[in-house]
Formats: sequence, structure tokens, C-alpha cells
Amino acid sequence: GNSVTQMEGPVTLSEEAFLTINCTYTATGYPSLFWYVQYPGEGLQLLLKATKADDKGSNKGFEATYRKETTSFHLEKGSVQVSDSAVYFCALRYGGATNKLIFGTGTLLAVQP
Amino acid sequence: DAGVTQSPTHLIKTRGQQVTLRCSPKSGHDTVSWYQQALGQGPQFIFQYYEEEERQRGNFPDRFSGHQFPNYSSELNVNALLLGDSALYLCASSLLQGARTNTGELFFGEGSRLTVL
Repeated sequence: GNSVTQMEGPVTLSEEAFLTINCTYTATGYPSLFWYVQYPGEGLQLLLKATKADDKGSNKGFEATYRKETTSFHLEKGSVQVSDSAVYFCALRYGGATNKLIFGTGTLLAVQP
Repeated sequence: DAGVTQSPTHLIKTRGQQVTLRCSPKSGHDTVSWYQQALGQGPQFIFQYYEEEERQRGNFPDRFSGHQFPNYSSELNVNALLLGDSALYLCASSLLQGARTNTGELFFGEGSRLTVL
């Protein structure tokens, strides 16, 4: 079936370090891929998305490229800030008129000053 | 513009009881989805409502049911509560996927945290 696998956390980085959070997926067809972020005490927010192979989603300095050949959608940021501390979820959506997302287990990022 | 609002924010029930959670979608949205997020896990899709009907369902038992009202708000009902139903329940709203103006983004509420003792 369709699934998403994320690297396990927590990931602890110093401010201004480079961030990579790995995400791979299993899906039939051509899913859309998403990164959502959950800040402490808040709901999930869409961070970025890509809807077809080789698309690059970007937002707030974060980037992820839809790689169909490796079935991956790794999240990267060149220089993290303390305010980026949150839980990051990779997700996929497949099919037509559906809002069903399949999420990974989430990766906790802690950025230290 | 209010986003997705959910109530209550926290509640405690005992095994065997029933619970109703409520959700008001973001203004302009017509589709509501419910997710269950167990501690340390990603959200899992329960079901989706559009035009007051359940349109798609995840792998959850019939104890989980819902409703959508003409104003697009929604309720999630869980009967015969089990300890394993303890989780954060998230509501998400959007325009129906495929609608011409749909950007594909789901907007999530902050959730209702249910504890079953």
C-alpha cells in the first residue's frame, strides 16, 4: 500500500547549521507530496508541496525536490534558526477528489542557540 | 478570517463512554476531514465529509462516525471508547480536491486532545 517513511528524530542542531530530514514514499501512480510543520501547541501548517516529478517546493528557506527515481522528498534548509524548532511531517496524497493524506511519523527538530 | 476551530480542546472520558468533537471549517471551505494523531505518531485519516455525506473513509471501525451540517461544520463521534482511542483529534478543511480554485492545501485546527481512562 501507500506509505511514507521519515528519518527518526529528534534532530538536534546548532543555529545556522544545515538541515536535512529524509523522507521516502511508496505509492502507486503519481502522488502529490507535502511537508507539514507543527509548532508547539499549534496545529499542522503546510510548509511546502510538490505535485509532480522534479518539482521543487520551497518556503521560508526550506526546500524539497520530488524525486521519482528514488521515491524521495527530502527536506533541506541551509541555515536553521531557533524558531524552526518544531515537528516536521512528510505526507503524500493520491487519487482524485480526496483530501486523504498519508503522513510519516514526524521528525522533531530542536535548534539550539 | 478565522481559521479552523475545534472544540473542546481537552477532555477526559472513561472506557465505554461516548464522545462528540466539533469542528468549524475555515471560511469558504466546504470539505472537512478528520485525523487521529496518537502520541509520537503522524496523523491518520479517519474520514472526509463533503455535501453532508461521508465521501471517503480510512481504516477505522464503525465506532467512529461523523456528520456534516449545511453550514459545513462537522462532528466526530466515537462510541464505546477504548483506552487506545486516547489521541489528538485533528480537523482539516479545504475546498474539494479538483475544484477549480483549490490550491490543494489542507488547513488544520489545533485539535481536541482526548484522554480515555
